[in-house]
Amino acid sequence: GAVVSQHPSRVICKSGTSVKIECRSLDFQATTMFWYRQFPKQSLMLMATSNEGSKATYEQGVEKDKFLINHASLTLSTLTVTSAHPEDSSFYICSARGGGESNEQFFGPGTRLTVL
Amino acid sequence: GQNIDQPTEMTATEGAIVQINCTYQTSGFNGLFWYQQHAGEAPTFLSYNVLDGLEEKGRFSSFLSRSKGYSYLLLKELQMKDSASYLCAVMDSNYQLIWGAGTKLIIKP
Repeated sequence: GAVVSQHPSRVICKSGTSVKIECRSLDFQATTMFWYRQFPKQSLMLMATSNEGSKATYEQGVEKDKFLINHASLTLSTLTVTSAHPEDSSFYICSARGGGESNEQFFGPGTRLTVL
Repeated sequence: GQNIDQPTEMTATEGAIVQINCTYQTSGFNGLFWYQQHAGEAPTFLSYNVLDGLEEKGRFSSFLSRSKGYSYLLLKELQMKDSASYLCAVMDSNYQLIWGAGTKLIIKP
């Protein structure tokens, strides 16, 4: 299957700092990328959907000024958590979907964010 | 509203068979996915059903009935490494995935 990478895999930061997470589709062009957040023992929560070259669509309750998403190319999307606080500590997972007939989403390995 | 229901937790014995059910109510339907997620890791794809019937893939099979809004994931010859959460997700009319809360499967020797 297609490969999606995420970097970094783990990050620990101080409260008030900003953290950038990269999501890359390594062997296919991702027309759409998704950003999820998952708290312990809970299901995935979709934060936003981004299409290459256009603004991301945020889910209700997700602050777009706090979670900045850039999908500048067909292989790269970034999520920046601005002015992170301890309650932002979570597992952030991206997924990517290519064009064509396949509806499958390919997941990155996730980024564990801990805000002190 | 949109809703995906699956049991919170199931326990089974190594070598046995287990069936994890999923019922859904969504605005439109463009397929149902099953994912496996080990603790601390991202989900990995198991199966995709868009037509009624059974899809078999090795030890894992997935069944779909669109008229009943129902699917199940069948795991045979259970192994300890199958201990994980199993997520049911439905793609709605907007091609968005609606996720269930996941079923934690515990395998005992």
